[in-house]
Amino acid sequence: GESVGLHLPTLSVQEGDNSIINCAYSNSASDYFIWYKQESGKGPQFIIDIRSNMDKRQGQRVTVLLNKTVKHLSLQIAATQPGDSAVYFCAFRPPRGGADGLTFGKGTHLIIQP
Amino acid sequence: KAGVTQTPRYLIKTRGQQVTLSCSPISGHRSVSWYQQTPGQGLQFLFEYFSETQRNKGNFPGRFSGRQFSNSRSEMNVSTLELGDSALYLCASSSNTGLVNTEAFFGQGTRLTVV
Repeated sequence: GESVGLHLPTLSVQEGDNSIINCAYSNSASDYFIWYKQESGKGPQFIIDIRSNMDKRQGQRVTVLLNKTVKHLSLQIAATQPGDSAVYFCAFRPPRGGADGLTFGKGTHLIIQP
Repeated sequence: KAGVTQTPRYLIKTRGQQVTLSCSPISGHRSVSWYQQTPGQGLQFLFEYFSETQRNKGNFPGRFSGRQFSNSRSEMNVSTLELGDSALYLCASSSNTGLVNTEAFFGQGTRLTVV
């Protein structure tokens, strides 16, 4: 599965730059995808979601891209700010609705440098 | 609208003891899921409840159990605690009826330390 290991990948970007966080999944039956942001000492915070019938969805400063052919998901954050520093997780679920739990990706630690 | 509330925030227990954690979902949400987060294994699904029924269970031993009440509040219980049960336990609620996927919102978690 997509369980995490001991070391999180780290992405360091300059404040104001755009950042792209990537996620790969293996279950081709995955139908629903979510990006979460987790700050230290807090629970995961919902950022944006996308369903498998779409390949792109935009929110405020964030864009999620889904490539089902290569089973790849990405989160783009525009004009990063210090408050964007956190661990970002992708999560996915097959089409059965809420009955199956979310499977989480490894997580990426995003560091915003001044 | 209040978010997902988990109590207690922090807990220290001794090996062999049992523990009960509580989760109050967002008002109107009937689906509650529980997850365990550790540095080594990341976020792993424990179980999910909807309308007082467990709909699915992750790959955890029977020491981990849960229940949901008629007001959608949920509790999870871990019996015969082991050192490896030390983790952040997260609860997520959603309006998901099981027919279509909807977003899940997480609480702050309960940090359990087993000594």
